[in-house]
Amino acid sequence: DTGVSQDPRHKITKRGQNVTFRCDPISEHNRLYWYRQTLGQGPEFLTYFQNEAQLEKSRLLSDRFSAERPKGSFSTLEIQRTEQGDSAMYLCASSPGTHYEQYFGPGTRLTVT
Amino acid sequence: KQEVTQIPAALSVPEGENLVLNCSFTDSAIYNLQWFRQDPGKGLTSLLLIQSSQREQTSGRLNASLDKSSGRSTLYIAASQPGDSATYLCAPTGGFKTIFGAGTRLFVKA
Repeated sequence: DTGVSQDPRHKITKRGQNVTFRCDPISEHNRLYWYRQTLGQGPEFLTYFQNEAQLEKSRLLSDRFSAERPKGSFSTLEIQRTEQGDSAMYLCASSPGTHYEQYFGPGTRLTVT
Repeated sequence: KQEVTQIPAALSVPEGENLVLNCSFTDSAIYNLQWFRQDPGKGLTSLLLIQSSQREQTSGRLNASLDKSSGRSTLYIAASQPGDSATYLCAPTGGFKTIFGAGTRLFVKA
């Protein structure tokens, strides 16, 4: 297993368009996390899945953001009607359990023009 | 609400120096605390994980300590090298959330 993968690595979109990102966690990990990181800041928590259940969602997420993990494996993060303020690095992490290390993917860099 | 502060925000040291990075957090109800390294434009690499019941963890030249009651953690780097240049992030986890500090940007001069 090569670790957490994310696709695409880079996305440039025009304001108002919808975008979807994919995260493939390490295969035996049932916890999956999404974060957003802007320049010079640490990652901000967005949402958390345990298997297919979304157990926590940050108030930072507006109604334009939605995440799914339909079969408890890969996850998708969709942003509808993108705004320039959505430009950031979107990071995914997975973990085999609550008390274990989180392993991060390389991130998807989103630029909204 | 958990708030995490990392001091200093940036640090420049000559090669070979020992150094300490500091992390403080406001909510001591945590399961664990993880230290990460991030290179520019890259994802995060886990360095050390300390469980809430532990006081410290060591990996090679790195040693991390945790004082949960006072809300503090430190990352000690021995004999720093230019390859250690990166941003170091502290991240306590409580409930389902992991909250990150803004990081310490470290530059080690050859």
